[in-house]
Amino acid sequence: QLQLQESGPGLVKPSETLSLTCTVAGDSISSSTYYWGWIRQPPGKGLEWIGSVYYSGSTYYNPSLKSRVTISIDTSKNQFSLKLSSVPAADTAVYFCARLHSNTWYFDYWGQGTLVTVSS
Amino acid sequence: DIQMTQSPSSLSASVGDRVTITCRASQSITNYLVWYQQKPGKAPKLLIYAASSLQSGVPSRFSGSGSGTDFTLTISSLQPEDFATYHCQQSYRTPYTFGQGTKLEIK
Repeated sequence: QLQLQESGPGLVKPSETLSLTCTVAGDSISSSTYYWGWIRQPPGKGLEWIGSVYYSGSTYYNPSLKSRVTISIDTSKNQFSLKLSSVPAADTAVYFCARLHSNTWYFDYWGQGTLVTVSS
Repeated sequence: DIQMTQSPSSLSASVGDRVTITCRASQSITNYLVWYQQKPGKAPKLLIYAASSLQSGVPSRFSGSGSGTDFTLTISSLQPEDFATYHCQQSYRTPYTFGQGTKLEIK
């Protein structure tokens, strides 16, 4: 059974960098069938795709966040990571990592999500 | 970006009811439409992909239809565990975008 688990600080100060890691268990992150992605959900609001990464290191970002986002992958640790720089309070959200099935591009497995609050 | 609009935003229904939720895309997305169910404090759960393909393990009372710009999610006979928020997502092109969600509540 595939499991994804987000980890990282739950509180980040404004203007600093938000950093999260997603650890994948139960399957290799190097599978050619899947990409890996980050999605966020501000409290009481809808879902927003942040970006995705392939095992080769290829990345795709939401243009609305592209200037501040870096997603990387570490196949040796079966992990992928998110960095979001210069965060304002509006980046407060639950951050989910998920597996993205290629070809039809749906997120089939999700982590439980982690709340990141941006506040001084 | 492709805009996704769901209707209604909220819906009250009773156990056993047949319910339909609509999702409209701002341009044609052929059949690249995904439906998720989300319960409070939980991650979204995949229900349907490619507009009408039921994810393994999802009850057959859930069905999806549509193509182009207009799509529907139908629950044929509501069960107590179906009260949740439902999201659509276009997977036609990046940036992937979601509808605002439809909250299904008990009447």
